[in-house]
Amino acid sequence: AQSVSQHNHHVILSEAASLELGCNYSYGGTVNLFWYVQYPGQHLQLLLKYFSGDPLVKGIKGFEAEFIKSKFSFNLRKPSVQWSDTAEYFCAVNWKAAGNKLTFGGGTRVLVKP
Amino acid sequence: ETGVTQSPTHLIKTRGQQVTLRCSSQSGHNTVSWYQQALGQGPQFIFQYYREEENGRGNFPPRFSGLQFPNYSSELNVNALELDDSALYLCASSSPTDMNTEAFFGQGTRLTVV
Repeated sequence: AQSVSQHNHHVILSEAASLELGCNYSYGGTVNLFWYVQYPGQHLQLLLKYFSGDPLVKGIKGFEAEFIKSKFSFNLRKPSVQWSDTAEYFCAVNWKAAGNKLTFGGGTRVLVKP
Repeated sequence: ETGVTQSPTHLIKTRGQQVTLRCSSQSGHNTVSWYQQALGQGPQFIFQYYREEENGRGNFPPRFSGLQFPNYSSELNVNALELDDSALYLCASSSPTDMNTEAFFGQGTRLTVV
């Protein structure tokens, strides 16, 4: 079965620190890749997505992600975090052969200390 | 706001009871997917409905069932509730005519089974 793994369950960092969250997925052919964020008490929101083209994708709120096909990875980065980035982050993969459904990683809870 | 609305927002049920959760999709979207997000985990795909027909199902027992109506709204029904069914249930709508599209999530229904 296809799977998505996120390397860190919890990350704690200070404001202005850089953030990188890892995401790896299993082989299964062509994929669409997503990062979602869930702020406390809010719905899942899309941060960024990759369908094709430039493997470096820029999203909202200063986030970016890099698709490395050879490593089956789609890591999320932000050069300088803010307290408001405290949230849970989910990597999600849509294997095109499996239709239009998403497989999520287990999530990474990020706490940014002011 | 994503335009996807779910009701109710919270629900408490007793083990063995049945529950119905509702979702209105975003305007223009005719595909609705349901996900279960247990505490501390990423969302897991339950099933998807497209034009009133089930269009893919995850690893959930038959007591999880659904419907989609002509206006593309959807229901998730769970029979014979178990304690482990306690979770946040998410609805997502998308447009299947383009595989390169994102899913828009509602705020979820938090179900507690006691």
